[in-house]
Amino acid sequence: GQQVMQIPQYQHVQEGEDFTTYCNSSTTLSNIQWYKQRPGGHPVFLIQLVKSGEVKKQKRLTFQFGEAKKNSSLHITATQTTDVGTYFCAGNFGNEKLTFGTGTRLTIIP
Amino acid sequence: DAGVIQSPRHEVTEMGQEVTLRCKPISGHNSLFWYRQTMMRGLELLIYFNNNVPIDDSGMPEDRFSAKMPNASFSTLKIQPSEPRDSAVYFCASSFGGSNIQYFGAGTRLSVL
Repeated sequence: GQQVMQIPQYQHVQEGEDFTTYCNSSTTLSNIQWYKQRPGGHPVFLIQLVKSGEVKKQKRLTFQFGEAKKNSSLHITATQTTDVGTYFCAGNFGNEKLTFGTGTRLTIIP
Repeated sequence: DAGVIQSPRHEVTEMGQEVTLRCKPISGHNSLFWYRQTMMRGLELLIYFNNNVPIDDSGMPEDRFSAKMPNASFSTLKIQPSEPRDSAVYFCASSFGGSNIQYFGAGTRLSVL
């Protein structure tokens, strides 16, 4: 079946350090989305990547979509306590539904 | 814009009881999704509707689970009878057209004792 794998499962970083989470699909994606879920909250859409090799930035967050449209990454520069939460990638294979990765839970050590 | 509205926010029930979760999607959105989230299994898609019609229910665990969408502004997820392993957070999400971007409700935290 169509699966989306995400690593690492957990990441603990000192405040100010960088953070990266990676997402891989077994088959080519139509597009990929990233969501953030704060502790006790619900997933909130961050961004969508559609084109092969696409790179998008949102302040300290950089999102990349691989050339083969099978992998993606989210990189946060100089983490802050407000970045705490679980980051999910979600792959779209050409219909309405999304296949969510397992998520990476980010904790920040002040 | 009120966003996706779910009720109740919390539900505690005893094993064997019927549980009904409710969702109101964002007005104008034509796709609705039900998810279950647990520590062990992560975020699982249970079922989704497009224009009120169930499209994919392959994620529904078993016959104890059923979902309906009688109109564009309301959906229910029912568990009958409930079991302790159904304890989880259930999210409803909606999206519009071909954008695929999903907007989640605040979720219902279900505890089955």
